[in-house]
Amino acid sequence: QSVLTQPPSVSGAPGQRVTISCTGGRSNIGAGYDVHWYQQFPGAAPKLLIHEDSNRPSGVPDRFSGSKSATSASLAITGLQAEDEADYYCQAYDSRLSGYVFGTGTKVTVL
Amino acid sequence: QAQLVQSGAEVKKPGASVKVSCKASGYTFTNFGISWVRQAPGQGLEWMGWSSPYNGETKYVQNLQGRVTLTTDTSTYTAYMELTSLTSDDTAVYYCVRGGSSGPKGWFDPWGQGTLVIVSS
Repeated sequence: QSVLTQPPSVSGAPGQRVTISCTGGRSNIGAGYDVHWYQQFPGAAPKLLIHEDSNRPSGVPDRFSGSKSATSASLAITGLQAEDEADYYCQAYDSRLSGYVFGTGTKVTVL
Repeated sequence: QAQLVQSGAEVKKPGASVKVSCKASGYTFTNFGISWVRQAPGQGLEWMGWSSPYNGETKYVQNLQGRVTLTTDTSTYTAYMELTSLTSDDTAVYYCVRGGSSGPKGWFDPWGQGTLVIVSS
């Protein structure tokens, strides 16, 4: 049972903007810990998409962006493309559990 | 660039143990922690624990304490995850990832390709 909650699915047409929320609490996101995001295609290992709330590693398109506020974080995909269809997970540290936690995961569907 | 390559799939009987290896290359092994993450079929990601190749320090998720052991071999740049007393609930893909620490800092990059562990009688 994850302490970071994400919507099970979001969808959008090509070119649209979609956002994925990651809701935590006072022991994780609300404590100011960094939030990171990962993208996972079926049958493949996850890949780092955003680190430290809003930083894109080299090679990640700038249509992916991250933000954080209070006890939640968001991943936005602008100019949605068919190749963005994947599962997305947020991740943070939790002081109550003294370890790292992942979000429940969100499946993005391109209509 | 940094790369992690894991050992192959395993099929184990309930009650047995499994040991998965993860060979690192492309970076200085002792400069980064190695974490392990598992994913049951059709489910999300679960962080299992972290080990430091620098000093051997480890940290485990509470619900696996006593069953999981993480080790590293700096001479071969290899990390290991051993899980004992396997049940069907341990059937999952196990990933090693570079990252994590004894505290809150750290993200996971890169990821190994994953090792499927099936527990079945």
